[in-house]
Amino acid sequence: AQSVTQPDIHITVSEGASLELRCNYSYGATPYLFWYVQSPGQGLQLLLKYFSGDTLVQGIKGFEAEFKRSQSSFNLRKPSVHWSDAAEYFCAVGDSGGYQKVTFGTGTKLQVIP
Amino acid sequence: NAGVTQTPKFQVLKTGQSMTLQCAQDMNHNSMYWYRQDPGMGLRLIYYSASEGTTDKGEVPNGYNVSRLNKREFSLRLESAAPSQTSVYFCASRHANEQYFGPGTRLTVT
Repeated sequence: AQSVTQPDIHITVSEGASLELRCNYSYGATPYLFWYVQSPGQGLQLLLKYFSGDTLVQGIKGFEAEFKRSQSSFNLRKPSVHWSDAAEYFCAVGDSGGYQKVTFGTGTKLQVIP
Repeated sequence: NAGVTQTPKFQVLKTGQSMTLQCAQDMNHNSMYWYRQDPGMGLRLIYYSASEGTTDKGEVPNGYNVSRLNKREFSLRLESAAPSQTSVYFCASRHANEQYFGPGTRLTVT
C-alpha cells in the first residue's frame, strides 16, 4: 500500500531564511508526487508535481522539489522564505490507477518569524 | 470559470440530523472525489466517482452516501450525523493526473 511520511509536524523559520520540508513515500512503482499548500481556512493549492523526467521540479511561488528514488524522498525547498509562506504543506503520492488514488501526508505547519 | 465550488461553507448539525454537502465543477472533468480532513491526519478519501453514473468507496466511507447527479455535480450525504463526522470536507475533481480542490465545508456535529 502506498504511504507518505512527513516527519516534521511544525517548523519555524525566520523570514529570508532557506526552507526544506521533508517527505518520504512508499510506493511500488514510479510514483506521481505532489506538494500542496493550504492557507488557514482555505482549500489546497498545488505547488508542484513530479511524474517523470527531470528529478528537480519547479513550482509556483518560488518552490522546488527534488525526487530521489534511492531515498524514497521528495523534499520541498525554497531559498528565501517570505512571511506569506506561512501555511500548512502537504506531500502526496498518487498512482496511475483508474481513479488515481492519492494518499496525503499528515502535513507540516510552517511558521515564519520576522 | 469558477473551478470547484462547495456549499455550504459552514454547517452545525445535531447528532442524528441529516444533510447533504454539495459540490460542482465547471471544468468538464470526469473524476470527482470527497475527502475529509482532520487535524494531524491529512486528507482521507471518503468516496470517489470515476465518471458520471459510477461511485466507489474510498478509505473511510462508513456513515456517508454519495450521488453523482451528472458530470458537474457530486454530493455527499450524511444520513444520521455523529460527532465523529465533525471535520472539514473537501471535494475535488481530476484532469489527467492533477486534482483540483474546492474551498471546503467545515462541519460540526454536536
